[in-house]
Amino acid sequence: GEDVEQSLFLSVREGDSSVINCTYTDSSSTYLYWYKQEPGAGLQLLTYIFSNMDMKQDQRLTVLLNKKDKHLSLRIADTQTGDSAIYFCAESMGLYSSASKIIFGSGTRLSIRP
Amino acid sequence: DGGITQSPKYLFRKEGQNVTLSCEQNLNHDAMYWYRQDPGQGLRLIYYSQIVNDFQKGDIAEGYSVSREKKESFPLTVTSAQKNPTAFYLCASSSIRGDSSAGELFFGEGSRLTVL
Repeated sequence: GEDVEQSLFLSVREGDSSVINCTYTDSSSTYLYWYKQEPGAGLQLLTYIFSNMDMKQDQRLTVLLNKKDKHLSLRIADTQTGDSAIYFCAESMGLYSSASKIIFGSGTRLSIRP
Repeated sequence: DGGITQSPKYLFRKEGQNVTLSCEQNLNHDAMYWYRQDPGQGLRLIYYSQIVNDFQKGDIAEGYSVSREKKESFPLTVTSAQKNPTAFYLCASSSIRGDSSAGELFFGEGSRLTVL
């Protein structure tokens, strides 16, 4: 079945890099997403990667995709206190299917220590 | 500014009462969605709609109802049949995926429902 798995917690020292990992099960995934949720708010799209790519970089964010292992990671360089949030990995299936096929992981809560 | 608005942000309900959560978007998106979020869990899809006057059940539709009379609006009713309604409810919208869109979801700020 379709499933997306993430660890629930990650604690990082301010200024270090954070690496949040995700595994998914559906090999037909077309897009993979990272969303950020701050306390009491909705989710915001951070970045996404198309399944035929293996890396995408956007300022402090680096997404790595290993299709063989069905593993996705998000690296945040120089982690700041404002990066404290829950990070959700999500996958979508099908080339032209709607977002109804987007499956979310349980989210990783990133906390920053001084 | 374009966006998606949910109201109310906080809502309290007595057992046995129906309650309706509002969701409005001015992004001209065709598709709209309702998700439920519980602590430590991912988002679970309740209902979605890809076009006006049409909607489909998601994974946990029992005890909920929706309508889509206008493109901009997708209200969710939590009925008394929903056994465990206390949760954080998120509305989202998206354009249908194509060359210029990755099909990403745009979320509202959420509505927290507490049943007393």
